Amino acid sequence: DTGVSQDPRHKITKRGQNVTFRCDPISEHNRLYWYRQTLGQGPEFLTYFQNEAQLEKSRLLSDRFSAERPKGSFSTLEIQRTEQGDSAMYLCASSSYRGNTEAFFGQGTRLTVV
Amino acid sequence: AQTVTQSQPEMSVQEAETVTLSCTYDTSENNYYLFWYKQPPSRQMILVIRQEAYKQQNATENRFSVNFQKAAKSFSLKISDSQLGDTAMYFCAFIGANNAGNMLTFGGGTRLMVKP
Repeated sequence: DTGVSQDPRHKITKRGQNVTFRCDPISEHNRLYWYRQTLGQGPEFLTYFQNEAQLEKSRLLSDRFSAERPKGSFSTLEIQRTEQGDSAMYLCASSSYRGNTEAFFGQGTRLTVV
Repeated sequence: AQTVTQSQPEMSVQEAETVTLSCTYDTSENNYYLFWYKQPPSRQMILVIRQEAYKQQNATENRFSVNFQKAAKSFSLKISDSQLGDTAMYFCAFIGANNAGNMLTFGGGTRLMVKP
């Protein structure tokens, strides 16, 4: 395990379609975060998990966004009925629950909604 | 709510020279953590340097150092002996000590180009 991996790296979808992204964190990390990054901006926090529990989801952008981490390992982020405004980079990060330690980021999934 | 502001959208520096990137933040908390992250083109974000607010000594990591001014809520990054591989987006970020989930609040970023 060399780091956080995200799949796919790129996704082009038509408006109205559903998309799902996957994140595999560093294996010993029990915290997992999703961020969204639009072009030229800093990442914006969406949601996070500690093990399988989703402890903060109020920042998800709308009820079209949902995330799961069923077994406390990998996570999925789903966007239903995609809109052009959803086009962005979706970043996943993981960290261990031990004070304010470093968050390790994946390379992201770039979503383009046409 | 915390905010992080990076007032320099783009900067450039000649190879081997020194550059300073600015960051200011706003918070009502007394204890917090500040970070600089580097995001190279098409690559993942990596941590460059971290500063705990209760530490008066400025953090250093090899060619990277910070100037942390708590009263002014300023946290600048100095890169010495700039290298071509330093070309990247740089993000300043904040975690409040009361933030149980350790979610990062990022600034808008500074695009740094190192010229040969």
